[in-house]
Amino acid sequence: KAGVTQTPRYLIKTRGQQVTLSCSPISGHRSVSWYQQTPGQGLQFLFEYFSETQRNKGNFPGRFSGRQFSNSRSEMNVSTLELGDSALYLCASSPGQGSQPQHFGDGTRLSIL
Amino acid sequence: AQSVTQLDSQVPVFEEAPVELRCNYSSSVSVYLFWYVQYPNQGLQLLLKYLSGSTLVKGINGFEAEFNKSQTSFHLRKPSVHISDTAEYFCAVSDPDADKLIFGTGTRLQVFP
Repeated sequence: KAGVTQTPRYLIKTRGQQVTLSCSPISGHRSVSWYQQTPGQGLQFLFEYFSETQRNKGNFPGRFSGRQFSNSRSEMNVSTLELGDSALYLCASSPGQGSQPQHFGDGTRLSIL
Repeated sequence: AQSVTQLDSQVPVFEEAPVELRCNYSSSVSVYLFWYVQYPNQGLQLLLKYLSGSTLVKGINGFEAEFNKSQTSFHLRKPSVHISDTAEYFCAVSDPDADKLIFGTGTRLQVFP
């Protein structure tokens, strides 16, 4: 089985721009979660989608949004980028029953200049 | 609210020595507990999980962890470490009803020859 695939692996943007990150979950997994990893704040939960619906949301501003498609693939969008948005963005997938562990992709490294 | 505390930010150890990485959690409800490992420039890889049942959990790469409800701890152990175990280790909890991981700040395990 192929693992969780995130594209692109690296991205460089400037302040004020917007960005879209993509995540393809493991086949058969219906839940996709997004996390932000920074040296200062560590790993923080952004949001989780299950069957195209946002089921959980972390404490991030509205500039951070996401969606999930019918094939379970998910995208995350960040608008009006700020320097502090520089981070590793990790996507994780699971079957969605809570008891099943999440499997992570290798992440997208976003750098804001 | 749930929280996770990893008591050691760095743990240096010589090869073939035993190691324990400490994790304490706080939650008003029953939780699932996980340990993940992150190698440089990679995502998170699941080492082991505790959902219920036996309090001693065995994972991959020779790691094991013990769930202690009275002390709200979930310490990770390995009897003999290898150079290749050098990585960042994260303890995490999740609510059984939600696919949302709350992570500790991580412990950097550095194995010396």
